Amino acid sequence: SQQGEEDPQALSIQEGENATMNCSYKTSINNLQWYRQNSGRGLVHLILIRSNEREKHSGRLRVTLDTSKKSSSLLITASRAADTASYFCATDKGYSTLTFGKGTMLLVSP
Amino acid sequence: DAGVIQSPRHEVTEMGQEVTLRCKPISGHDYLFWYRQTMMRGLELLIYFNNNVPIDDSGMPEDRFSAKMPNASFSTLKIQPSEPRDSAVYFCASRAPRQGENTIYFGEGSWLTVV
Repeated sequence: SQQGEEDPQALSIQEGENATMNCSYKTSINNLQWYRQNSGRGLVHLILIRSNEREKHSGRLRVTLDTSKKSSSLLITASRAADTASYFCATDKGYSTLTFGKGTMLLVSP
Repeated sequence: DAGVIQSPRHEVTEMGQEVTLRCKPISGHDYLFWYRQTMMRGLELLIYFNNNVPIDDSGMPEDRFSAKMPNASFSTLKIQPSEPRDSAVYFCASRAPRQGENTIYFGEGSWLTVV
């Protein structure tokens, strides 16, 4: 069953704008991760935030985690056409596997 | 370092035929996962191995699906007989020995079309 649910399902913006994607989940987690999938490719790990962290930055990426609301957001600042991809959140509940959401498709137009 | 290597990248087969997908995990990784991705169901975990031993195969849809990992550097996912509803992208992924963070590395996928 899906643990994380991303919102929106699709997002279309112009280059230079910021893109925000949200993820909600249902049960307690150890950490939450975001992955990126370019068209026709495999998923690539972007960033991980632990359950005791509230915010984390990596380059143009900013991730927040609110464990009381069981939600996370991924912000991509100053987006580029090359950021066009699907973005997935994945939750780690302390077992050996990750559970992925269905993803947000991001289109960045030049 | 080479990533997770999957073959074939694309396969088109007729209903009823046997399909074998292959995976070479990243060297030193002791967890191997098989996922299936479709538009309708998203990314589903089919089965995973730890140290070549199947740990959880509850995601395998039917007895037509089987997976093996004869050694640390090779795994197969077999579908026999294949059906059109098996059309999907099948991903193999691997993970390093558990050290507190559970980051998974994916292959490029095997795109299966059953006609």
